[in-house]
Amino acid sequence: DAKTTQPPSMDCAEGRAANLPCNHSTISGNEYVYWYRQIHSQGPQYIIHGLKNNETNEMASLIITEDRKSSTLILPHATLRDTAVYYCIVRVAPFPEAGGTSYGKLTFGQGTILTVHP
Amino acid sequence: GAGVSQTPSNKVTEKGKYVELRCDPISGHTALYWYRQSLGQGPEFLIYFQGTGAADDSGLPNDRFFAVRPEGSVSTLKIQRTERGDSAVYLCASSLMGAGSKNIQYFGAGTRLSVL
Repeated sequence: DAKTTQPPSMDCAEGRAANLPCNHSTISGNEYVYWYRQIHSQGPQYIIHGLKNNETNEMASLIITEDRKSSTLILPHATLRDTAVYYCIVRVAPFPEAGGTSYGKLTFGQGTILTVHP
Repeated sequence: GAGVSQTPSNKVTEKGKYVELRCDPISGHTALYWYRQSLGQGPEFLIYFQGTGAADDSGLPNDRFFAVRPEGSVSTLKIQRTERGDSAVYLCASSLMGAGSKNIQYFGAGTRLSVL
């Protein structure tokens, strides 16, 4: 799986958009970008994933650059409960309809500590 | 429905003792994963099961660590002759497999192991 680089920490004001960057310059064509977050004393929680198109769900939006070497997770209206460590993970397609057969591990880096303040 | 359940939530043991950590996955999830998280670090993969068999145990640090999933549901992580360096939060995750599943891993809250 390709390596990712994230800033160690970021701050955001409550109600504003939080934009978390991730660099994955060695990403391969069959690798997806996944985002998880971990709130203090809890297990990681899935947020969103994508291959090359921008994705949006009820939690966040994922913007992937055209060359796929970087991406940004956007929390449109951050709340205090969004304070967490955010992990960007690149992995080979883990589901069969994408041609993948690897259902295995997630490789976590250090992540970005996002602090949302009032 | 219930999420991934891990017991105990906290375990304190003495160096050299044997411990067992239990994971109850989400019902129907055929894949189960164990990770270990040291303070200030991201989770580190240990082992992954498809059904009853270990599909990838490359993350187990040494032969003191062993995991089983005899009926393809509940899993137990076993650590023999514990060492102080084994102190960490042990996380379990489960996922659906197959078409349409997207293989999203759902995590439990973890077991905090402290070896004195």
